[in-house]
Amino acid sequence: QVKLLQSGAALVKPGASVKMSCKASGYTFTDYWVSWVKQSHGKSLEWIGEIYPNSGATNFNEKFKGKATLTVDKSTSTAYMELSRLTSEDSAIYYCTRAGDSGFDYWGQGVMVTVSS
Amino acid sequence: DIQMTQSPASLSASLEEIVTITCQASQDIGNWLAWYQQKPGKSPQLLIYGATSLADGVPSRFSGSRSGTQYSLKISRLQVEDPGIYYCLQGYSAPWTFGGGTKLELK
Repeated sequence: QVKLLQSGAALVKPGASVKMSCKASGYTFTDYWVSWVKQSHGKSLEWIGEIYPNSGATNFNEKFKGKATLTVDKSTSTAYMELSRLTSEDSAIYYCTRAGDSGFDYWGQGVMVTVSS
Repeated sequence: DIQMTQSPASLSASLEEIVTITCQASQDIGNWLAWYQQKPGKSPQLLIYGATSLADGVPSRFSGSRSGTQYSLKISRLQVEDPGIYYCLQGYSAPWTFGGGTKLELK
């Protein structure tokens, strides 16, 4: 069965960076785009960007360009997102999700990032 | 960017009641519309894709429809496990955008 297992919660200081992972299993990792989605506390969902593991091609929401960097390690079927120059506005839950034929069909469990000194 | 205006923001309904949630797209998105359910502390779960197609394992009391650029999610007979927050998502043009969410509670 398809699973996306994300790394654990992170507490980071303002101005620092954080890198989180999303390990895929149960399907051919290189065949599907992986997207990242932000959910601020009590708010809706925002699409950050996506990466195609086979080629490393990426697309970003303009709002997150310069903030998020997406990479993959095909050898371990793992996608990564790094967020830089963190502020309190970056405190949120971040999800990875697979873009299947029917849209975002499988989601990771989410990573809670807290930015605090 | 395509804006997805979702309504109502919240709603309270009784067991077995019919519930309808709508999303209005700011431009034509064809059938590139999905619906998700999110329960507290959990990730979103796909309910409907292609505006009207039921995702695997989703109960048949959930259905989706389209009228022009307005999309609806209907729960035909509300069950105790259905409360949560519902979101629409347009997959027509990047950046993919979500509606603001509808919080559904049991009365």
